Amino acid sequence: DAKTTQPPSMDCAEGRAANLPCNHSTISGNEYVYWYRQIHSQGPQYIIHGLKNNETNEMASLIITEDRKSSTLILPHATLRDTAVYYCIVIHPGTYKYIFGTGTRLKVLA
Amino acid sequence: NAGVTQTPKFRVLKTGQSMTLLCAQDMNHEYMYWYRQDPGMGLRLIHYSVGEGTTAKGEVPDGYNVSRLKKQNFLLGLESAAPSQTSVYFCASSYEAGRQPQHFGDGTRLSIL
Repeated sequence: DAKTTQPPSMDCAEGRAANLPCNHSTISGNEYVYWYRQIHSQGPQYIIHGLKNNETNEMASLIITEDRKSSTLILPHATLRDTAVYYCIVIHPGTYKYIFGTGTRLKVLA
Repeated sequence: NAGVTQTPKFRVLKTGQSMTLLCAQDMNHEYMYWYRQDPGMGLRLIHYSVGEGTTAKGEVPDGYNVSRLKKQNFLLGLESAAPSQTSVYFCASSYEAGRQPQHFGDGTRLSIL
């Protein structure tokens, strides 16, 4: 599975959009980009995933560049409850093991 | 809408004791997983199952056993607990591997004295 690079931390004002970048320059053509978050010591929470196209669900939007070497997770209206560590991971079809890196610690400020 | 439920949430054991962690999912998922997460480290896969009656070793299987007698349940056993097994244990399940997301429980915090 391709390695990912994320900034260690970011701040975002409450009510503003949070844009979290992820670099995955060695991604291969059939690997998926997944985003999870972990709030305090809870279990990782699935947010969104995609292969090539941009995706949107009730939680967030995922923008994947045309060359697929990077992506951005967008939380459109961040709230204090979105304060968490956000993980970007790249998964090959058939992979059982998730490898979470250090992620981005997002702090939403009141 | 329970998703993945883990019991117990907390447990303290003495070295040498045994216990079983229970994971239950109500999403009719074929795949189930057990991970451990230690401070400053990422998730490490202990065992996984690709369907009822099947189990396989993950990255760190030593000292653990698992069983999947029913599709919705995945049990993790510690036969003789050791302090090195103090950790937070997460169970996850998925419809398939890779193309669909794993959904995680809220964890079991296990301390072994």
